[in-house]
Amino acid sequence: EADIYQTPRYLVIGTGKKITLECSQTMGHDKMYWYQQDPGMELHLIHYSYGVNSTEKGDLSSESTVSRIRTEHFPLTLESARPSHTSQYLCASSSPRLGGIVDEQFFGPGTRLTVL
Amino acid sequence: DQQVKQNSPSLSVQEGRISILNCDYTNSMFDYFLWYKKYPAEGPTFLISISSIKDKNEDGRFTVFLNKSAKHLSLHIVPSQPGDSAVYFCAATVTNFGNEKLTFGTGTRLTIIP
Repeated sequence: EADIYQTPRYLVIGTGKKITLECSQTMGHDKMYWYQQDPGMELHLIHYSYGVNSTEKGDLSSESTVSRIRTEHFPLTLESARPSHTSQYLCASSSPRLGGIVDEQFFGPGTRLTVL
Repeated sequence: DQQVKQNSPSLSVQEGRISILNCDYTNSMFDYFLWYKKYPAEGPTFLISISSIKDKNEDGRFTVFLNKSAKHLSLHIVPSQPGDSAVYFCAATVTNFGNEKLTFGTGTRLTIIP
């Protein structure tokens, strides 16, 4: 069973505030990901990490930043939140799947962010 | 430019009948395809996948079909059950020794009518 946690689950915040979305996994996975999803739209990869001290930007440009100081922790930070950042943010980690070709990604429950 | 398309935002199917969810892709480099299922307030969970070297993969009630020439795949659920009501995302990737990045479609909301 996947154990990946995200906090907070819901966040309503004013413009200009600094926010950090937390993501933790207890599975020891090296690879972790952040996706952004607007309602009715596809998930877009905004950041990923293949291990400690490794972070890369994803396919969708994002003003957020991430860090990976510990294997289990992959927080996402917005220095100055704006209404355009309103979205759902999903964290995932991955592990090789037995007999599979592509790693299986396990997703957290997501953080729904609203910036007023 | 959307590389993975799910043109049906929603689908309703009677319990016990077959559910067919469709997905089209434009990037001919994609060689691995996945379906994820998402319940409200939860993250997506992996359901089934298929490699481009196959045209069919089956796992219990779930079967995925791949038509490479048409750049089309479909997920069949038979028989459909109320617990199958969820949003289904199609995803595709280019295999890269475990360093794959997934490209997702917009999802199809499946509702199973008891």
